[in-house]
Amino acid sequence: EAQVTQNPRYLITVTGKKLTVTCSQNMNHEYMSWYRQDPGLGLRQIYYSMNVEVTDKGDVPEGYKVSRKEKRNFPLILESPSPNQTSLYFCASSTGTGGVLYEKLFFGSGTQLSVL
Amino acid sequence: KQEVTQIPAALSVPEGENLVLNCSFTDSAIYNLQWFRQDPGKGLTSLLLIQSSQREQTSGRLNASLDKSSGRSTLYIAASQPGDSATYLCAVYMEYGNKLVFGAGTILRVKS
Repeated sequence: EAQVTQNPRYLITVTGKKLTVTCSQNMNHEYMSWYRQDPGLGLRQIYYSMNVEVTDKGDVPEGYKVSRKEKRNFPLILESPSPNQTSLYFCASSTGTGGVLYEKLFFGSGTQLSVL
Repeated sequence: KQEVTQIPAALSVPEGENLVLNCSFTDSAIYNLQWFRQDPGKGLTSLLLIQSSQREQTSGRLNASLDKSSGRSTLYIAASQPGDSATYLCAVYMEYGNKLVFGAGTILRVKS
């Protein structure tokens, strides 16, 4: 089954404790991205990657890191989480042709993060 | 800066009604526009994707139109059902910066 898998589904942590949210897709997609969803603000792009070893900042990259060492995986790293990073996070992937998204975006089920 | 607005923010209709959800954007330099559905506690599911060169796309009871020059898209849902209850979001993919900009969504409730 074609899917984007995020883990964990729920995460509660404390300020400053490094954490990683994993994202994996089995569709051989070039494009992967991370979003956060906050009430009243909608979805905002954190980072995206057009292919292996190619990553770039979205609209709200501060406090986050990503890496794309393999095509299927795109982990989101919070080196020193703070309470303002409490949010619902989504990973997504798609086919990227010539560096452009022409196809539908597939989303993971989300990770609800609470930073105390 | 691209701004995407969805109207109405919430909508409640009786089962069987035809309905229209609206999405407007301020910058017409887009490659394409997608409509998504989000169920509570779940991820987004892409419903329809319209390329900038297209005027509309259809899938079952759903029809989406795009008027790029005026910065508008509509999602038409025919013969609504309680199972259509969800949040509907639109997103535009910009011609520059590889940016995908989302609207805040329309919360739809279809009453049986």
